[in-house]
Amino acid sequence: DVKVTQSSRYLVKRTGEKVFLECVQDMDHENMFWYRQDPGLGLRLIYFSYDVKMKEKGDIPEGYSVSREKKERFSLILESASTNQTSMYLCASSLAGRADSPLHFGNGTRLTVT
Amino acid sequence: QKEVEQNSGPLSVPEGAIASLNCTYSDRVSQSFFWYRQYSGKSPELIMSIYSNGDKEDGRFTAQLNKASQYVSLLIRDSQPSDSATYLCAVTLRGSGNTGKLIFGQGTTLQVKP
Repeated sequence: DVKVTQSSRYLVKRTGEKVFLECVQDMDHENMFWYRQDPGLGLRLIYFSYDVKMKEKGDIPEGYSVSREKKERFSLILESASTNQTSMYLCASSLAGRADSPLHFGNGTRLTVT
Repeated sequence: QKEVEQNSGPLSVPEGAIASLNCTYSDRVSQSFFWYRQYSGKSPELIMSIYSNGDKEDGRFTAQLNKASQYVSLLIRDSQPSDSATYLCAVTLRGSGNTGKLIFGQGTTLQVKP
């Protein structure tokens, strides 16, 4: 069974801090994704990666960056956290090469920026 | 027009009834369609996937796809209170190729009343 693990379930950070959200998957998936989920706005794609060191912007990349140095790990970085980045962050992974490959989600990180 | 649209609900049905959840999408060349269930405070989990026109059944769940009408639905038979959750429709878009990128609807909240 696919396991996607996010390092923190809850985080509280201050405005201006640099924040790292870590995600690890154990199924050798090529594709990894970071979404944020907000009430009334649904799931929005921040960044995704289809290979080591490869990344592409999603729909809302502003204020975020990512790092994928190893296949199993995909990190989301908030360079200078702001209150409007308070949200639920979801990491997901999937197999490459198949349009029918579903996303497998981690448990989520609820980030509060004060 | 949003790329993937769902009625946010809440959709309220009595226990034992059939719940019908609907989703429309804008991209005619979308290939893969997924239904996820998300309990409050939890991450989305995959319920069904469908790729061809027609019906696909799995236990109490039936997914229906009509590509000509750009419409996908999820039927839940013999609804149970444990089915109360938000149901997310997700679709691959043109150009997503092998990246597995999905676009999500905002979700429909289902309430099953005992």
